[in-house]
Parts: sequence; structure tokens; C-alpha cells
Amino acid sequence: AQSVSQHNHHVILSEAASLELGCNYSYGGTVNLFWYVQYPGQHLQLLLKYFSGDPLVKGIKGFEAEFIKSKFSFNLRKPSVQWSDTAEYFCAVMDTGRRALTFGSGTRLQVQP
Amino acid sequence: NAGVTQTPKFRILKIGQSMTLQCTQDMNHNYMYWYRQDPGMGLKLIYYSVGAGITDKGEVPNGYNVSRSTTEDFPLRLELAAPSQTSVYFCASSPPNGYQETQYFGPGTRLLVL
Repeated sequence: AQSVSQHNHHVILSEAASLELGCNYSYGGTVNLFWYVQYPGQHLQLLLKYFSGDPLVKGIKGFEAEFIKSKFSFNLRKPSVQWSDTAEYFCAVMDTGRRALTFGSGTRLQVQP
Repeated sequence: NAGVTQTPKFRILKIGQSMTLQCTQDMNHNYMYWYRQDPGMGLKLIYYSVGAGITDKGEVPNGYNVSRSTTEDFPLRLELAAPSQTSVYFCASSPPNGYQETQYFGPGTRLLVL
């Protein structure tokens, strides 16, 4: 069975600090990976996705993620966070058979002004 | 397009009561999903559907039922509510154009069972 691990449960940063959130997955098939964000009181929104090709994926709002196959990782990065990035971030892998997502437990990011 | 809509936004149920969580999408998506999100946990798949008339169980289907009579609607039924079903429920949909597609999520229904 596939699984996703997010090791950072709660991260607190100051504005302009750099961000890296860890995500490791286990899945035996073709890997489709996602990062979703949930701002306070809002529903999940897609940040970025990886299906194939360039392992460095750029998403919205200055976020990027790097797929490292040998490490089974898909870490999320942003060079300089803003207060408005305060949210919960979820990594997910897609089961291509059911086309359903398996999510990690999420990382709560708090950016202090 | 309104996207994926869910009703109600919040509900309190007593143990043993039943209710239906509504989910509608106006994007003509074939695939629809129900997830639940417990505090401090990621979302877990309850049920999914690949099209009208076709549904299947996900990871945590016990205590729930679904139906898919139309492309647009995918209601989730709780027959005998239990405290363990206290959670936030998200509906999602995705288009049929291959597996490399994004899932679009609704705003969620917060359910409290007392």
C-alpha cells in the first residue's frame, strides 16, 4: 500500500526566511505527486504537481518542489516566505488505478511578521 | 463555474442519527471522491466513483454509503452516526482526461457527533 510521510508537523518561520518541507512516499507504481495548501478556513488548493519530466517543478506563489527518485522524496521549497503563506501544506501521491490521492498528515506553517 | 460545492457547512448530530452530506460539481467531471480529515491527520479516502452508477470503497468506508445517480451529484450517507465520525468531510472531483489530472476540492463539511 502506498503511504506518504511528512516529517515536519509544525514549522514556525519569520518573514523572508527560506522554507523546505519534507515529503517522502512509498509507492510501487508510476509516481504522480502533489502538494496542496489549505489556508485558514478555506478548502484545499493545488500548489504544484509532478507527473514526469523535469524533476524540479514550479508551482504557484513562488513555490517549487524537487522529485528525487532515489530518495523517494518530493520536498517543497520557497526561497522567501510571506505572512500570507501561513497555512497547512499537504503532500500527496496518486493511486493511478483509482486516481485517488493518499495524503501525508500535513505540515502547519506559521509565518511571523 | 461554481466548481465543487458541499452542503451543509457545519452540522451537529446526536449518536445514532443519520444524515446526508451533499456534493455537486458543475465541471462535468467523471471522477468524484469523498475524503475525511481528522485533526492532525491527512485526508483519507472514504468512497470514490468513476462515473454515474459506479462507486467503490476507499480506505475507510465503514459507516458510510454513497450513490451516484448523475454525473453532477455524489452524496455521502451516514446511517447511524458515531463519535468516531466527527471529522471534516471533503468532496473532490477530477476530469476524465487520463490520470494526469488535478483533483478539485469542495469547501468541506464539518461534522460533530455528540
